[in-house]
Amino acid sequence: QKEVEQNSGPLSVPEGAIASLNCTYSDRVSQSFFWYRQYSGKSPELIMSIYSNGDKEDGRFTAQLNKASQYVSLLIRDSQPSDSATYLCAGGGGRAGSYQLTFGKGTKLSVIP
Amino acid sequence: ETGVTQSPTHLIKTRGQQVTLRCSSQSGHNTVSWYQQALGQGPQFIFQYYREEENGRGNFPPRFSGLQFPNYSSELNVNALELDDSALYLCASSLGEQETQYFGPGTRLLVL
Repeated sequence: QKEVEQNSGPLSVPEGAIASLNCTYSDRVSQSFFWYRQYSGKSPELIMSIYSNGDKEDGRFTAQLNKASQYVSLLIRDSQPSDSATYLCAGGGGRAGSYQLTFGKGTKLSVIP
Repeated sequence: ETGVTQSPTHLIKTRGQQVTLRCSSQSGHNTVSWYQQALGQGPQFIFQYYREEENGRGNFPPRFSGLQFPNYSSELNVNALELDDSALYLCASSLGEQETQYFGPGTRLLVL
């Protein structure tokens, strides 16, 4: 099993709809989780971080973490064309002195006007 | 804008050459992590520097090396460049080794 897995998409949603992005992870990357947005040709931009089970909301974005199922998701409400990008899920793991962030391949989201 | 800067923005080298990429961390951040992102892939961890010491390394050969300076800026050096080294190189700075990482704009390297 790869350490962080995402559906590569593309995921297409109409403007105003909810976009749901999913990610599963292995035991080694189980300390902290992050969602980054990456526009084509640009660097990743942090959207959300989540450390404990449950939901975390920030504006139109909600991150959900379920450690028992090793599953983390990102919901984008009222999707806008400007949300069209690749969304990278990342998990942090390792002891002090060997911590690293492991990324999935990303899910490409297209929001259709 | 994260306050993390990288130079140069683009670079073209030939196989066998050496390259040095530079990163200035966000003010107050003492940790820099370097990643390689090939086209269509997620970033791959190269190594992390925390308070001027290497603090973890990914699955990259020794020809990938780095430094961190007292002002917490950092360099990534790659020797004996190979065609597969063509990628976007990203640095990310953070308040500590396990803290949230913020990325710079990246350096796009093309090896011919």
